[in-house]
Amino acid sequence: EDQVTQSPEALRLQEGESSSLNCSYTVSGLRGLFWYRQDPGKGPEFLFTLYSAGEEKEKERLKATLTKKESFLHITAPKPEDSATYLCAVQAHGSGNTGKLIFGQGTTLQVKP
Amino acid sequence: GAGVSQSPRYKVAKRGQDVALRCDPISGHVSLFWYQQALGQGPEFLTYFQNEAQLDKSGLPSDRFFAERPEGSVSTLKIQRTQQEDSAVYLCASSLLAGGLRTDTQYFGPGTRLTVL
Repeated sequence: EDQVTQSPEALRLQEGESSSLNCSYTVSGLRGLFWYRQDPGKGPEFLFTLYSAGEEKEKERLKATLTKKESFLHITAPKPEDSATYLCAVQAHGSGNTGKLIFGQGTTLQVKP
Repeated sequence: GAGVSQSPRYKVAKRGQDVALRCDPISGHVSLFWYQQALGQGPEFLTYFQNEAQLDKSGLPSDRFFAERPEGSVSTLKIQRTQQEDSAVYLCASSLLAGGLRTDTQYFGPGTRLTVL
């Protein structure tokens, strides 16, 4: 069964304190791994797509990496506005003709000034 | 351009009432998805449309849930005889291409928060 697990569930950082969020996945065949950001009361906002092990993508203070079993979202020198829930999702070859996403439960990040 | 929109943003229903949730995808997007998000959890897949065809409804929790996209654009998720366990945020997402062709970004709407009393 395709599965995604994120850790930690919650993370508190001081402004400027770098850290990483983990996404472990088990899929029948990975088509893509997605990172989304979700603010309270809003829908998920797309951040990155990674397709194969060794791939990395960056956007401002965020950097996503991918291995065959997990992905990391590295946050460098975070600011309070980076506070949000970060969701990881996979799209598996077993999804057939749909491309449906399988999400983890999310990591809620709080960055204090 | 305009993103995915959903209405209403909030819906309160008494147990046993029927509700209808609307999704307006990004214009021209072929694929449309519905997800259910319980409090503190990640979204869970409900159903998928490619244009007007419902190709996957494997995530619908029961036969009380019904979705349609008759003209290949706007979609409606209907829940009959609502139960307390139906309380959740219902998210709609759209993507440009057909789901089976390639990995494609899904863009989400703001969601409808359904509370069943």
